[in-house]
Amino acid sequence: DAGITQSPRHKVTETGTPVTLRCHQTENHRYMYWYRQDPGHGLRLIHYSYGVKDTDKGEVSDGYSVSRSKTEDFLLTLESATSSQTSVYFCAISEGTSGSYEQYFGPGTRLTVT
Amino acid sequence: LAKTTQPISMDSYEGQEVNITCSHNNIATNDYITWYQQFPSQGPRFIIQGYKTKVTNEVASLFIPADRKSSTLSLPRVSLSDTAVYYCLVGDGPWGGGGNKLTFGTGTQLKVEL
Repeated sequence: DAGITQSPRHKVTETGTPVTLRCHQTENHRYMYWYRQDPGHGLRLIHYSYGVKDTDKGEVSDGYSVSRSKTEDFLLTLESATSSQTSVYFCAISEGTSGSYEQYFGPGTRLTVT
Repeated sequence: LAKTTQPISMDSYEGQEVNITCSHNNIATNDYITWYQQFPSQGPRFIIQGYKTKVTNEVASLFIPADRKSSTLSLPRVSLSDTAVYYCLVGDGPWGGGGNKLTFGTGTQLKVEL
């Protein structure tokens, strides 16, 4: 399995509080991604990174920010958590080979906003 | 991005071959077709990717007709452990720098019984 860890694995927080989720990889892959998964929606891309300090928005980026100061770490921040952000969050990485759609996913973080 | 349509669910029995068909009528010339598998409480796992005709690996086969408007994932001799959600994805074409984004639908829930 690809070396991807996510922390925390579970978190319960209150509405309005800031939350940061961490994704850590040991594969030295260039590309990193944050998805959320909700019943009836499959996985949706939040933000992605194509290098250190290089990030861009996905399809559901409102209310989220990201940072990547090192190749191995990709942080997802909810500045002020809302109940609609209750979800399972997955981090993924890829080598970035042109034409390849193989991504490796982490174990996920279950976030509950009360 | 090309939209995909696949059955919501399928049932099978151990030892049978399972074929899951996905339609993608507006696939673009540069798009690849990719399938992922997801078990409960885990991130998706890459199964297979193809562009045209047939691709086979140790896990599955992917059949793509000449018009590429559909594709079929074939799982030979399924077992209980193949019970999972299967996603058909059509990429947005290879970028110059790779790191292709993925758009997941809701997938097909395959249930394998004894």
